[in-house]
Amino acid sequence: DIQMTQSPSSVSASIGDRVTITCRASQGINSWLAWYQQKPGKAPKLLIYAASSLQSGVPSKFSGSKSGTEFTLTISGLQPEDSATYYCQQAESFPYTFGQGTKLEIK
Amino acid sequence: EAQLVESGGGLVQPGGSLRLSCAASGLTFSNYWMTWVRQAPGKGLEWVSYILSTGTSDFYADSVRGRFTITRDNAKNLLHLQMNSLRAEDTAVYYCATDRGPYGSSPNSGAFDIWGQGTLVTVSS
Repeated sequence: DIQMTQSPSSVSASIGDRVTITCRASQGINSWLAWYQQKPGKAPKLLIYAASSLQSGVPSKFSGSKSGTEFTLTISGLQPEDSATYYCQQAESFPYTFGQGTKLEIK
Repeated sequence: EAQLVESGGGLVQPGGSLRLSCAASGLTFSNYWMTWVRQAPGKGLEWVSYILSTGTSDFYADSVRGRFTITRDNAKNLLHLQMNSLRAEDTAVYYCATDRGPYGSSPNSGAFDIWGQGTLVTVSS
């Protein structure tokens, strides 16, 4: 199975800052990677698919990139509503797997 | 507006069975590959199962293979998850979701864009 190692597990940033969350795959997954945002008590929301494609309706402050087996989610111009847990998920092969999650706190 | 609504969750004893359902509306259900994802209390997301739009192929996480079965009824716009031999570690909120569809030359993207609100399954004596 492909393991997804996500870091950091938590991060605190100020309004207006930019943060970066990283996910490393245990083997090559091409660009089969998605990023989700989840707020407490709510279902996850798809932000990015295919490593860098922005899901329809998602603000352009969210962006994704890929370098080898390392994937990055960048959130710019942080606002209080960005406070959430973010997950990566590989879709290269079954079983699909998620990263452990990154909890983002806005100071 | 596209919507998914899960039902069937509840309290069940270890070793028992439960059948979850996911009702789709506002979308052409038969076109979508579908998935189940779960989240144990206070924990992260865990992918559980996946089924093609035609229902001809299905896939499972190692932790549920042989105990859970995913099926669909395209005529009724319903997705199901039959869960047998339940264990305490199956306690979670279970979400159904749609695969967002084709990407490049692939018939699916493996990314899930429409989610239900979730249904809680508690396995306890």
